[in-house]
Parts: sequence; structure tokens; C-alpha cells
Amino acid sequence: NAGVTQTPKFRVLKTGQSMTLLCAQDMNHEYMYWYRQDPGMGLRLIHYSVGEGTTAKGEVPDGYNVSRLKKQNFLLGLESAAPSQTSVYFCASRYLATGRFDYTFGSGTRLTVV
Amino acid sequence: TQLLEQSPQFLSIQEGENLTVYCNSSSVFSSLQWYRQEPGEGPVLLVTVVTGGEVKKLKRLTFQFGDARKDSSLHITAAQPGDTGLYLCAGVVITSYDKIIFGKGTRLHILP
Repeated sequence: NAGVTQTPKFRVLKTGQSMTLLCAQDMNHEYMYWYRQDPGMGLRLIHYSVGEGTTAKGEVPDGYNVSRLKKQNFLLGLESAAPSQTSVYFCASRYLATGRFDYTFGSGTRLTVV
Repeated sequence: TQLLEQSPQFLSIQEGENLTVYCNSSSVFSSLQWYRQEPGEGPVLLVTVVTGGEVKKLKRLTFQFGDARKDSSLHITAAQPGDTGLYLCAGVVITSYDKIIFGKGTRLHILP
């Protein structure tokens, strides 16, 4: 009964390095999302996916790429990390069914870019 | 641009007191949600209110959706230290992907 699992939980990167954050859900949810949470800014949507093989930009997509090759996994990539990408990243998922907006969030990845 | 303003941003009260957190917008939402987030964890959905004027109760927590579906409130009766956390309201906007707008949160601290 894992729900949404994010790996890694913590990471420190040097400016210019790349990394991939992994989100895995075992609830057969169609929709998956990546958010970042910053003090005083709240949760902001980076990218989202409405199904396997489809992705779209959210509110703050610059500097990030995503892929959803399998329904249960949603990957967030940083090609060249910048200090402005220091944040806590959350993955969320939900069912496609109309009227159901019950998001399930992972426990987050705390990323520091130095 | 839809915005959700939460107030207060911070609240520290004694155990046993009552409190109300507000979530306001100039936009209409199809539904509104409240989440609670504890340190080091992701937000956890508490409730979704759908109908204007709707009131939902979850033990000592009472959630209300405004008649015009632009605002909501969370009232906690007899607050307990276990209620400490970050409370987020989120408004659902029906679009091609059913966008959810999050407020910046109210950080609540209940003193024993």
C-alpha cells in the first residue's frame, strides 16, 4: 500500500549538474503531476501528464523536462541545475474520473543546488 | 490569473482554543479542497467541498464553501497539539486538465 513514492528524498547538486527525480505510483492513476514548493510561494505546477506517453507544461516548466514511458512512473529531469532550482519537489497523482480530484502526494525530494 | 489568498499566514494558539483559517479568491471554483502538510511530508487531502454553501465536518474540523464558490473557511474547535501543521487550500478550475490552484498556506502551531 505504498501510494506515491519519490526517490531520492534528499540530493545536493553542483550548478550545472544534471539529475532525474523518480515518481512511482501503484494506484493505477491516470494523471500525474510535478510541483515545487518554495517558502512564501506555495505549490507551483511544473509539468503534468494525463496518461502514458503524454506530458504537458505547467506554470513553471523552464529548466525541467519530464517523461512518462510507463503509466506508473513520472520522471522529472534537470539538465543543468541552477541555484534557483533549490526547492522541495512533490509528485502527485489522481484518477481521471470526472469529479474526482483527490490528489495523492509523495513525501517529497529536497534538492539543494550549490 | 486565479489566486487563492489564505489568512492568517501564521497562527500560534494555546491548546483548547478555537480558530478559523480563511481562503479567499476573486475567482469561482468548481470545488475547493483543504490539505494538511506535516514537516518532511507531502500534503494530505482532508476534504473536498463542491456545492456553494456546503459545510463538512471532520471530527473537530468544520469546512465551509462560500455561497458564491469563491471562498472557504476551516474552523477548528478545541485545538490540540496534533493539529499543528501547514494547512493548504486548493481551488479546482475545470480546464483541459482540471487545474488546481494552491494557496500559500497557513502555518498553525498549537501550544500544549
